[in-house]
Amino acid sequence: SQTIHQWPATLVQPVGSPLSLECTVEGTSNPNLYWYRQAAGRGLQLLFYSVGIGQISSEVPQNLSASRPQDRQFILSSKKLLLSDSGFYLCAWSDGVRYGYTFGSGTRLTVV
Amino acid sequence: RKEVEQDPGPFNVPEGATVAFNCTYSNSASQSFFWYRQDCRKEPKLLMSVYSSGNEDGRFTAQLNRASQYISLLIRDSKLSDSATYLCVVKTGGFKTIFGAGTRLFVKA
Repeated sequence: SQTIHQWPATLVQPVGSPLSLECTVEGTSNPNLYWYRQAAGRGLQLLFYSVGIGQISSEVPQNLSASRPQDRQFILSSKKLLLSDSGFYLCAWSDGVRYGYTFGSGTRLTVV
Repeated sequence: RKEVEQDPGPFNVPEGATVAFNCTYSNSASQSFFWYRQDCRKEPKLLMSVYSSGNEDGRFTAQLNRASQYISLLIRDSKLSDSATYLCVVKTGGFKTIFGAGTRLFVKA
């Protein structure tokens, strides 16, 4: 069966520090991968999606970036965090339009 | 107008009650529809897909009305464990997926 791993679970980082969140998927090949952010009391905002190695599409302009160095690995990064980057970051994978997403357990980021 | 709109609630219902959530979407080209459940401080989890003919999974029934562009979720015989936020999700072709902001449900003894 397919599983998705995301870490760390919580993170407290100072403003201006770098960020690296990692997500890996097991049990499937060539998944579509996504990074979402959920601000407190808000809906999910799509940040990036990837259909294959090295292929990244960005949905919103921001100081975040994403990379997909391997088929089942998706990384979210920032060189300098802002206070507004605080939120609940979720990695997800999907097989296509007809199917829903499976989310990782999320990373709760607080920028202080 | 938001692409996907849900009543934020909260809905406060007693155990055993029947509760219904509605969700409207603006893009008539939307292809796939889902309901997700999100517990406090947890990731969303797929509750059920929504099919044109309507579908049922135990106490949960989902319906789609393409003409009016809304989907619904009906929960019968509510349990305390049903307390959560329910997210409406709409997929349009390609990779465009819109999540509603969610409807909070509290089921009380």
